Order: sequence, then C-alpha cells, then structure tokens
Amino acid sequence: TQLLEQSPQFLSIQEGENLTVYCNSSSVFSSLQWYRQEPGEGPVLLVTVVTGGEVKKLKRLTFQFGDARKDSSLHITAAQPGDTGLYLCAGEEGTALIFGKGTTLSVSS
Amino acid sequence: EAEVAQSPRYKITEKSQAVAFWCDPISGHATLYWYRQILGQGPELLVQFQDESVVDDSQLPKDRFSAERLKGVDSTLKIQPAELGDSAMYLCASSFTWGQGRFYEQYFGPGTRLTVT
Repeated sequence: TQLLEQSPQFLSIQEGENLTVYCNSSSVFSSLQWYRQEPGEGPVLLVTVVTGGEVKKLKRLTFQFGDARKDSSLHITAAQPGDTGLYLCAGEEGTALIFGKGTTLSVSS
Repeated sequence: EAEVAQSPRYKITEKSQAVAFWCDPISGHATLYWYRQILGQGPELLVQFQDESVVDDSQLPKDRFSAERLKGVDSTLKIQPAELGDSAMYLCASSFTWGQGRFYEQYFGPGTRLTVT
C-alpha cells in the first residue's frame, strides 16, 4: 500500500499571510488530487495534477506536482478566513484513491 | 450543478443496533464509492461499484457491513450490528467511470456522521 504523508498536520495563521502545505510519498503516482473539506462536509475537489513538474493555479492557490511525481505542494497567497479547512491530497492506488491524513488550516482575521 | 446526495446527514445509534445509509450519485456516473473517515484521518475506501457490480470490497468488514447497488444507480450501506468503533463519517463518492488507462475524478457527497453509543 502506498502512503501519502502530509505536512504540517496543523497550521494556524493570520489573514493575509502566505503558506505552503506538502504531500509526499516514496511511490510514483500517475496523478494527485487536492481536496478541501470543511467540518461536517464531504471533501471538495480543488485540482488534479497529472504531469511531472506541472503547476496549476486556482485564484490564490498554486498547486505543483513534483518532477518525479512523488510529491506535491499547495501554496496559498494572502490567506483569508474562508480558506479555513482540512486540505487533503489523494493519489490513485488500484481502483480507488488513497488519502493523506490532511493539513488542518485555520486562518483568523 | 449536479451533486452526490446522501442521507441521513447525522445518525446516532446504540451499539448492536442496525443502521443504514443511502447515496444517490451524480446522474450518469457509473462508478460509486463508499469511504469511511475517522476524525483526524483521510477517507478510506470500503467498497467500489461499477454499475451494479462490486469492483472492490476488500476493505469492507463483511461480518457486519453490507453494501448494494441493485439497479446500478443509488446505493445503500448497512451496518449490523453497530459497534462503538464504527463511529465515523461515511462518505459516498461517484465518478463517470473508472480504469481504461486514465483517472476519472471523484466527487463526494456531504457524508453521514455516525455516532454509536
């Protein structure tokens, strides 16, 4: 079973700060997905990265897939309270997804 | 925008009782997944359906859990009897299909939060 390790586990910052969260594995993935989950809700897909070295931007969020397709990062610029939530990375294994344990982000105003 | 529907949203049950969850995937999605998410963890796959057939149920505790998707559309996950350790969020997801050399994105429902007392 492949494992996805996310860091940091918890992150508490002030509005306007920048942050980066990481998703690492010793295994190669054909694609990685990033989800955001709010308390009591299901994960919402943010992006899928497929090509090694790929960079995708979603407003203030920048996602990068490592050249070797073993790691990924999510960078948020000028964080806002609405960015608060659990950020999960996931990769394909067999028929389904395996998830990391997530990074819990809290942005205070 | 099409969504995955789940009910109930919350369920409290006593141990040894039976409990059932329902999921209606996005229309036209052939693949349906049930995941379990323990607080502080990522979701873990319990069972995957392609239309009405089970593709993978290797992580489903079959002594107490069962899942069906009789007409290849909506699905029911049942636990009987429930145990304290079953307290978790049960998530349903769907995708257009799966396999065929590419990844089809999965879309999740809001989940059912189960508390076993």
